[in-house]
Amino acid sequence: DSGVTQTPKHLITATGQRVTLRCSPRSGDLSVYWYQQSLDQGLQFLIQYYNGEERAKGNILERFSAQQFPDLHSELNLSSLELGDSALYFCASSKTGTSTEAFFGQGTRLTVV
Amino acid sequence: GENVEQHPSTLSVQEGDSAVIKCTYSDSASNYFPWYKQELGKGPQLIIDIRSNVGEKKDQRIAVTLNKTAKHFSLHITETQPEDSAVYFCAASRRNSGYALNFGKGTSLLVTP
Repeated sequence: DSGVTQTPKHLITATGQRVTLRCSPRSGDLSVYWYQQSLDQGLQFLIQYYNGEERAKGNILERFSAQQFPDLHSELNLSSLELGDSALYFCASSKTGTSTEAFFGQGTRLTVV
Repeated sequence: GENVEQHPSTLSVQEGDSAVIKCTYSDSASNYFPWYKQELGKGPQLIIDIRSNVGEKKDQRIAVTLNKTAKHFSLHITETQPEDSAVYFCAASRRNSGYALNFGKGTSLLVTP
């Protein structure tokens, strides 16, 4: 167990809908990363937050957004969902905004139908 | 941006043999190179990492080598066991991107008894 908690584990929703994925980092970690894993794109970095502030941005669509709250948990919001958004979404955490070791949660499997 | 290539995509070895997975990267500013193991239904698990100021690192049956000049790094697993069967990902990252990970496409390793 990495200590990173993601909920829900599975999510099935219809096209056009909006969902929120939640991540609680390891105790003491200030930085949260979101990654998307799909068969065609592999593991792709979406966005990083450090102590409530956006730190780095990757291949995140405009329909997606994230935030990190004062208690350091993070939420990834996916809107206007398309079939192609079906994927595993992972959260990882690290101690600071420039720590190297990152620990991954178990992921949320999103299925858009 | 950073591009990480990983080979082979699948690897089958007999128990007790060695397995080698190779990765190349494109961004000379990358300075941190972790390897993750992902088992079915789980999140990626950090197994070993190496920084750009080190050429080799070993942890029991696992070793990683880095050639900065050639921009390639490799994972070596000796005395493989069936429980080593999983998908392995290499990644490259750098400090000024918050160490957000750029992953290779993964290698599916099968160790047969």
